[in-house]
Amino acid sequence: NAGVMQNPRHLVRRRGQEARLRCSPMKGHSHVYWYRQLPEEGLKFMVYLQKENIIDESGMPKERFSAEFPKEGPSILRIQQVVRGDSAAYFCASSSWTGGPSGANVLTFGAGSRLTVL
Amino acid sequence: AQKVTQAQTEISVVEKEDVTLDCVYETRDTTYYLFWYKQPPSGELVFLIRRNSFDEQNEISGRYSWNFQKSTSSFNFTITASQVVDSAVYFCALLVVAGAQKLVFGQGTRLTINP
Repeated sequence: NAGVMQNPRHLVRRRGQEARLRCSPMKGHSHVYWYRQLPEEGLKFMVYLQKENIIDESGMPKERFSAEFPKEGPSILRIQQVVRGDSAAYFCASSSWTGGPSGANVLTFGAGSRLTVL
Repeated sequence: AQKVTQAQTEISVVEKEDVTLDCVYETRDTTYYLFWYKQPPSGELVFLIRRNSFDEQNEISGRYSWNFQKSTSSFNFTITASQVVDSAVYFCALLVVAGAQKLVFGQGTRLTINP
């Protein structure tokens, strides 16, 4: 029963290149979250997706960043024209939460993808 | 707005000592959840505990215990008889039920247990 799978674990890009980070949620989970962890900082929410829908992208930078979670396949976080400030660990989490005020499921996190921009 | 403060940036103790990690949160919502996650040197995030805002009972799990006090908006984490394997960064997080259920994390406390 694999957990949340992220790849690549480490990615090096030069300024101006594109970075694509992939996340396969846990089996049975249809909710995916992306968080960014800058060096020596806590995690910051970026985007929340369900299959084929972006539910909340209030934490996404307005430019160069996009995310998708297609009907088939993993969720993708795409960063175009990377800059040095994009260097960070990007964590994906998934849950089976079905909504409503009654509670919150635990988010299961992947091991993270560490992006280094040269 | 929600906020989580972990005032202790780094803590270093000798093995077998008890250590408490502080967490103070801010929210105007009455229904929320509090979490602790552990991030070992390998980098992944490991879930430790979830507590909802209506349950102020303290919880103990082996050498770990949690003290939730709504009166002071605190959710502190104590490790008893610490071990070297407890060395990690520990994050406290807040989730407000209303809305998209985004976790708000504190800055983390780096705990080093020395042999």
